[in-house]
Amino acid sequence: ETGVTQSPTHLIKTRGQQVTLRCSSQSGHNTVSWYQQALGQGPQFIFQYYREEENGRGNFPPRFSGLQFPNYSSELNVNALELDDSALYLCASSGVSVRTNTGELFFGEGSRLTVL
Amino acid sequence: LAKTTQPISMDSYEGQEVNITCSHNNIATNDYITWYQQFPSQGPRFIIQGYKTKVTNEVASLFIPADRKSSTLSLPRVSLSDTAVYYCLVGDDLRGTNAGKSTFGDGTTLTVKP
Repeated sequence: ETGVTQSPTHLIKTRGQQVTLRCSSQSGHNTVSWYQQALGQGPQFIFQYYREEENGRGNFPPRFSGLQFPNYSSELNVNALELDDSALYLCASSGVSVRTNTGELFFGEGSRLTVL
Repeated sequence: LAKTTQPISMDSYEGQEVNITCSHNNIATNDYITWYQQFPSQGPRFIIQGYKTKVTNEVASLFIPADRKSSTLSLPRVSLSDTAVYYCLVGDDLRGTNAGKSTFGDGTTLTVKP
């Protein structure tokens, strides 16, 4: 149990539609990162939000956008969905862990998106 | 992040020690080495992080030679529940906000057999 929750857990969309995925970060963490994980591959970094501002972006097109709210929860929005957007979308919150003194990432269970 | 190379897959049996090696020839002075574990349909879970020599926690050990061009994750006495994908990440200061900007490689799929 990481304290990071994501919703919805599964969803099905059709090409061209838009989707919003949500993430609640672990208590005390002000940084949320989003990842896309295609089947059989490792997670690919989409972008990160730190104190409500985008703080780094991976190689993803502008139709992938996000928000972070004052309570540090976050949303990932994807417009004009394509078949290749079908994947597990993960969010992770982070901060220097008191337990491990490392930049440990705490992941949610993910949102499985299927685009038909 | 420094490029890493890991075996695609490994098999082991219950009760054995498993060592997974990650090569990172271009590691920079400020880079840390972090390992994550991922079960199917779950998010990755932090295992261990180190900079040099040896780090041990309650689940694993991480061995880093003096030249730091590779690292070995050691899992003592594995069980069936250790069957998972293991990812090695190398990057400068994988802490704080930098920790969340890592792109994972394809990892090593470990299968533990009875």
